[in-house]
Amino acid sequence: GQNIDQPTEMTATEGAIVQINCTYQTSGFNGLFWYQQHAGEAPTFLSYNVLDGLEEKGRFSSFLSRSKGYSYLLLKELQMKDSASYLCAVIANDYKLSFGAGTTVTVRA
Amino acid sequence: DTGVSQNPRHKITKRGQNVTFRCDPISEHNRLYWYRQTLGQGPEFLTYFQNEAQLEKSRLLSDRFSAERPKGSFSTLEIQRTEQGDSAMYLCASAGTGAYEQYFGPGTRLTVT
Repeated sequence: GQNIDQPTEMTATEGAIVQINCTYQTSGFNGLFWYQQHAGEAPTFLSYNVLDGLEEKGRFSSFLSRSKGYSYLLLKELQMKDSASYLCAVIANDYKLSFGAGTTVTVRA
Repeated sequence: DTGVSQNPRHKITKRGQNVTFRCDPISEHNRLYWYRQTLGQGPEFLTYFQNEAQLEKSRLLSDRFSAERPKGSFSTLEIQRTEQGDSAMYLCASAGTGAYEQYFGPGTRLTVT
């Protein structure tokens, strides 16, 4: 089985940077995903990391350390529309996604 | 729109009734997944198909739940004798051959009264 932990809530100011950490324990690791989910909507894909290191995609970056079972999602130049839940998910050999409970990010003006 | 679609988007039913949801995946995606999500939680895996074959079912899926993908295209999820604990968002996702990334549909929100 998978065990995925991430903080429940984070609050930051518009224009700031926020880092959402995720730790996991899994067997048969085949990558880690970050999804964004606005209230009442479906999760939308943000990033996929399978090798160690940092992947940068515009204002969002994702980091993975497989040896530490650790990832983070970095959101830069925060905008009000970034207020959402951010889901960390691990995929194993069985092609199933196992999700954390999500981190609700609130961006204040 | 060529994304994953789900119908209905909302369903309110009385306890004990049967409900059926439909998912149309991205065309040519051979894998189709069903997840359930309750408030404040991440999605939980229920079952998945590769083409028309149902490859795995979660222990969360009691015998009141059944899913089909008869022609390897759309899928249906049926819940019989609904209970209040079945109230949740039911999400469908699809993925292409050999790909890990899953694309989610908008979900069906079920409320059992």
